[in-house]
Amino acid sequence: DSGVTQTPKHLITATGQRVTLRCSPRSGDLSVYWYQQSLDQGLQFLIQYYNGEERAKGNILERFSAQQFPDLHSELNLSSLELGDSALYFCASSGASGSYRTDTQYFGPGTRLTVL
Amino acid sequence: AQSVSQHNHHVILSEAASLELGCNYSYGGTVNLFWYVQYPGQHLQLLLKYFSGDPLVKGIKGFEAEFIKSKFSFNLRKPSVQWSDTAEYFCAVNAQTGGSYIPTFGRGTSLIVHP
Repeated sequence: DSGVTQTPKHLITATGQRVTLRCSPRSGDLSVYWYQQSLDQGLQFLIQYYNGEERAKGNILERFSAQQFPDLHSELNLSSLELGDSALYFCASSGASGSYRTDTQYFGPGTRLTVL
Repeated sequence: AQSVSQHNHHVILSEAASLELGCNYSYGGTVNLFWYVQYPGQHLQLLLKYFSGDPLVKGIKGFEAEFIKSKFSFNLRKPSVQWSDTAEYFCAVNAQTGGSYIPTFGRGTSLIVHP
């Protein structure tokens, strides 16, 4: 158990809908990262938040957004869903500096999203 | 943009065999390198990481990796694998882009170890 929790575990929805994925970081970690893992794209970095502020941005679509709340949990919002958004979405957290350069990331179990 | 290539998509070994998983990256600047492992039904976890210093890095469970800057490589090795090493292995690079570090993962290598 990494200490990072993600809810829900599974989500099935229809095209055009909007969903929210939730991540609670390890106690004391200030940074949260979101990743998308699909069969054709592999593991793709989406976005990083550090202590409530956006720190780094990867290949995140405009239809996707994220935020980190004062209690440090984070939510990833996916809207106007398409079939191609079906994937495993991982959250990871890290501590001290919030720099991916030095901190070890601890991954959650993921949320499997299926868009029908 | 940086990219990471893992040459072996699937590797099947017998217990006690030696393992080497290839990882090459493309990025001209300073990089930080990682190997992650995902055991069946579990979350991704860090095996080892390299930032600077000795290019031979030792990680958990007897794994090690060698950073060869001239070859842009960071291959993972283990002298004698066990059945419990069956897992998915991911190489990752993070490189500075603007003021932040962006992580890039390889596609992963699925390792099956037969008892």
